[in-house]
Amino acid sequence: ETGVTQSPTHLIKTRGQQVTLRCSSQSGHNTVSWYQQALGQGPQFIFQYYREEENGRGNFPPRFSGLQFPNYSSELNVNALELDDSALYLCASSPQSRSTYEQYFGPGTRLTVT
Amino acid sequence: DQQVKQNSPSLSVQEGRISILNCDYTNSMFDYFLWYKKYPAEGPTFLISISSIKDKNEDGRFTVFLNKSAKHLSLHIVPSQPGDSAVYFCAASEMTGSARQLTFGSGTQLTVLP
Repeated sequence: ETGVTQSPTHLIKTRGQQVTLRCSSQSGHNTVSWYQQALGQGPQFIFQYYREEENGRGNFPPRFSGLQFPNYSSELNVNALELDDSALYLCASSPQSRSTYEQYFGPGTRLTVT
Repeated sequence: DQQVKQNSPSLSVQEGRISILNCDYTNSMFDYFLWYKKYPAEGPTFLISISSIKDKNEDGRFTVFLNKSAKHLSLHIVPSQPGDSAVYFCAASEMTGSARQLTFGSGTQLTVLP
């Protein structure tokens, strides 16, 4: 069984640019969530996708957007990057959004905005 | 406002002794609580969980206790091993709309000394 994978591992961008991060869910999982983990903090919920639709969102502005594809892989897009967007971005998958509370995390993408 | 708090940024324990990690929460809508372990350069790994209707759950060396009236939970590791050295995150789960969301504490760095 393949776990959650994310790409790229590291990324450096300039303020104002746009970035796309990618995630492949664990086999059999149809729900994916994205989290932002700033240095010294716990992960913060950005949004969740279930069957290609966004079904929940945390306290993040609209310049954070996402997609989920029919094979349940997912993308996180961030427009107009700001210095505070520098963080570890984690993707987590789970079998179903309502009844399953356990989420399984990928290794993350470290984004640095200069 | 932090809904999940881990007030101890770090904890050092001798190998073979008990490690106790604590977590407090404020939101009464949380219905499951989870502990994750995180090594550097890896995503959080699920350890153990507990439903809000229970007060104890045990899995091998790991036991989680929930005191719902005090809105407090703790993770006990007995006996502690050097391989347990990692950052431990407490997380609480709730349904927000159609999404099951995790809210994390800021983590506790556990160091088990040989």
